[in-house]
Amino acid sequence: SQQGEEDPQALSIQEGENATMNCSYKTSINNLQWYRQNSGRGLVHLILIRSNEREKHSGRLRVTLDTSKKSSSLLITASRAADTASYFCATPTGNQFYFGTGTSLTVIP
Amino acid sequence: NAGVTQTPKFQVLKTGQSMTLQCAQDMNHEYMSWYRQDPGMGLRLIHYSVGAGITDQGEVPNGYNVSRSTTEDFPLRLLSAAPSQTSVYFCATRLATGINQPQHFGDGTRLSIL
Repeated sequence: SQQGEEDPQALSIQEGENATMNCSYKTSINNLQWYRQNSGRGLVHLILIRSNEREKHSGRLRVTLDTSKKSSSLLITASRAADTASYFCATPTGNQFYFGTGTSLTVIP
Repeated sequence: NAGVTQTPKFQVLKTGQSMTLQCAQDMNHEYMSWYRQDPGMGLRLIHYSVGAGITDQGEVPNGYNVSRSTTEDFPLRLLSAAPSQTSVYFCATRLATGINQPQHFGDGTRLSIL
C-alpha cells in the first residue's frame, strides 16, 4: 500500500494550545494535501503544499514539507473546540489519491 | 449549489444482496471517485473516473462495479454484498485539469452487511 501514516493517532489538548500532527508518505509526490473530517461528515480540504514549497500558511494553519524525509506536519495555532475533528494527509499520484490513517484531535474547552 | 450528494445515507443489507450507491455532483467536475473508510485504515480508493465513459480501478476494486454515463453521476454497485464490505463509502470529485486540485467530498453512505 502507498498509504501514508499520521502521528500521533490521537491528540487531546486544551483550548488555546497549539496542535501539531505529522504525516509520513512513501513515494515521491507532486503535492501533499491536508483534510479535516468532522464526526459523521465527509472530508473537507484545508491546504495544499507543492513539492517545491517548504512551508505554507492559511489562517491558523501552518504546513511544512520535507521531501527528503518524505514527511509533512500540520500545525494548528490557538486551537478552538470547533477544531475537534480527524485530520488526514493525502498524496495524489497520477489519478489516484492516497490518504494517511488520520490523527484524531480533541480540543477541550 | 449542492456540491456532492450521496444517497442513501444509511443502508443495511443481507449477505448476497445487491445495491447501488448513488453519487451526484453539480460542480461540472470531470474527476469522480469512490472511497471506503474503515477504522484504522484511512480512506482507500475503490474506483475513479476522469470523465464520462471512462473508469478505472483504484486500490481496492474487487466486489465493486462502476459506470459513468454522465458528468454528473457516478454510481457504485455491489453485485453480491459481503460482510467485508461493511464500511463508510465516500464519493469525491475534483477538476481533472492538473494534479494540484483539492477533492470535494460527499457526506458518505454508511453501509452494514449482515
